[in-house]
Amino acid sequence: GAVVSQHPSWVICKSGTSVKIECRSLDFQATTMFWYRQFPKQSLMLMATSNEGSKATYEQGVEKDKFLINHASLTLSTLTVTSAHPEDSSFYICSARDTSGYTDTQYFGPGTRLTVL
Amino acid sequence: GQNIDQPTEMTATEGAIVQINCTYQTSGFNGLFWYQQHAGEAPTFLSYNVLDGLEEKGRFSSFLSRSKGYSYLLLKELQMKDSASYLCAVMDSNYQLIWGAGTKLIIKP
Repeated sequence: GAVVSQHPSWVICKSGTSVKIECRSLDFQATTMFWYRQFPKQSLMLMATSNEGSKATYEQGVEKDKFLINHASLTLSTLTVTSAHPEDSSFYICSARDTSGYTDTQYFGPGTRLTVL
Repeated sequence: GQNIDQPTEMTATEGAIVQINCTYQTSGFNGLFWYQQHAGEAPTFLSYNVLDGLEEKGRFSSFLSRSKGYSYLLLKELQMKDSASYLCAVMDSNYQLIWGAGTKLIIKP
């Protein structure tokens, strides 16, 4: 299957700082990538849809100025959590949409565990 | 509204067979996906169904009935490592994935 990488795997930061998370599709081009957040023992929550070369589409309740998304190339999308606070601590997971085969499938990165102190 | 229903939790015995059901109501349909998610890890893709019928892949099979808005994931010869959450997701007419809440599968020896 297609491979999606995510970096860093985990990060600890101080309250008020910004954190950037990278999502890369390694063996396919992804015009669309998705960013999810998952709190312990809860479902995946879609935060935003990232389209290459255009502005991201944010889900209701997700602050676009706080969660900056950039999808500058067909293999890279970044999520920047600006002025992070403890309540932003969560598991952030990206996925990339692979439409190259006969299916239209999302493949997930391994996730980034963010802890804000 | 759009809705995906699956049981919250199921328990099965090592070596047995378990069927996890998923029913859905979505605006449009472009395929149904099953993902496996181990605790603390990201989901991994298991299967994709867009036509009615059974898709078999090793110990795992997935079935779809579009007219009934119904799918199931069948796991055979259960192993302890199959203990995980199983997520059902439907791609709607906008090619967005609508996620179920997941079924936590507990395997007992």
